[in-house]
Amino acid sequence: TQLLEQSPQFLSIQEGENLTVYCNSSSVFSSLQWYRQEPGEGPVLLVTVVTGGEVKKLKRLTFQFGDARKDSSLHITAAQPGDTGLYLCAGPHGGGFKTIFGAGTRLFVKA
Amino acid sequence: EPEVTQTPSHQVTQMGQEVILRCVPISNHLYFYWYRQILGQKVEFLVSFYNNEISEKSEIFDDQFSVERPDGSNFTLKIRSTKLEDSAMYFCASSSDGFSGELFFGEGSRLTVL
Repeated sequence: TQLLEQSPQFLSIQEGENLTVYCNSSSVFSSLQWYRQEPGEGPVLLVTVVTGGEVKKLKRLTFQFGDARKDSSLHITAAQPGDTGLYLCAGPHGGGFKTIFGAGTRLFVKA
Repeated sequence: EPEVTQTPSHQVTQMGQEVILRCVPISNHLYFYWYRQILGQKVEFLVSFYNNEISEKSEIFDDQFSVERPDGSNFTLKIRSTKLEDSAMYFCASSSDGFSGELFFGEGSRLTVL
């Protein structure tokens, strides 16, 4: 059982379309992070959401944290080929300075 | 911009051999991590390290694995006797706050065990 479930697993869209990807858990998280990973590289932190109901915007990307702090979404407006990549949600879990990751949503934006 | 650096970028080894993967975390970070990603699979937590000791480790991090901070800058992951299933990308990460989930990753070391 995954602690952080991401959906969809794979998404292929045309340039200019909008999309939303989801990260869900049955557990409450103190915060959730979104990372983007390109092939052969390490994940790169995009944003952290901390407060239930929080919305953060990063250019065409909008991140939302659920009111109960169990889920988060990432919305991309007018997707571009440069948005192609693996989008990972993550969060601190348990003690011992451990951050766990979801399996990711692989996004492909066609020109 | 400060970054986490990892060496080697790719290592090929025979099953049963020892491997050491090296990392230089961001200089003012205090929390260090190793993660593993098998090709096409999720990023898996291996171990976290703070104040010169392991804070937490996963079930993957068995007796064949060890970590060390031999000096003020390097952070290493040793696999004593590699197995075929150890073939993966190994990522080092560091953080200024162990509770935040905000990790800065290196480019990874690809380990291939033959």
